[in-house]
Amino acid sequence: NAGVTQTPKFRILKIGQSMTLQCTQDMNHNYMYWYRQDPGMGLKLIYYSVGAGITDKGEVPNGYNVSRSTTEDFPLRLELAAPSQTSVYFCASSYVVGAFNTEAFFGQGTRLTVV
Amino acid sequence: AQSVTQLGSHVSVSEGALVLLRCNYSSSVPPYLFWYVQYPNQGLQLLLKYTSAATLVKGINGFEAEFKKSETSFHLTKPSAHMSDAAEYFCAVTRNTGFQKLVFGTGTRLLVSP
Repeated sequence: NAGVTQTPKFRILKIGQSMTLQCTQDMNHNYMYWYRQDPGMGLKLIYYSVGAGITDKGEVPNGYNVSRSTTEDFPLRLELAAPSQTSVYFCASSYVVGAFNTEAFFGQGTRLTVV
Repeated sequence: AQSVTQLGSHVSVSEGALVLLRCNYSSSVPPYLFWYVQYPNQGLQLLLKYTSAATLVKGINGFEAEFKKSETSFHLTKPSAHMSDAAEYFCAVTRNTGFQKLVFGTGTRLLVSP
């Protein structure tokens, strides 16, 4: 089983460039998440989605955009890359129905450097 | 709002020694609690989870954690450390009612020496 797949694994961007981090899951999970991980800071939630067509901001959304046109895909867009966006990005998914909530399953991460 | 606090950014133990990683949570509603492990250059993998059933939860690789409501704690333990346990460990909390967002602690790096 593929689980959560992120591409690319590594990327170097120049300041001001844009890119899309891809995330797809094959577990039919309704919830999907984007986190960034900075040293000593743990994981911070950027955006999340509770289903196709529905997205909302997390703790650190500035400089990012998302869309959720299908259950499987949840791309993260950086429009004008800045050095502060140098980080490791993780996509995750989980299944939530009422009070039932599976754990979140994570992708392998995308290491992004903005120079 | 929910939050978790992990005490100690680094914990060092000798191989065979007890592992204790601390996590305290704050939640206005009954929580779900999780421990994740991250090996170098990899994503996060679930170790164990508390979802309001048994308060003592057993996970993979010999780890376990006990939910203590009176202490708002969910500490992770393993009786005997192995070299392969060296990794970063994250505690996380979410609500068990209504809308779900997973909130992570800052992580604890476990170092295991021979």
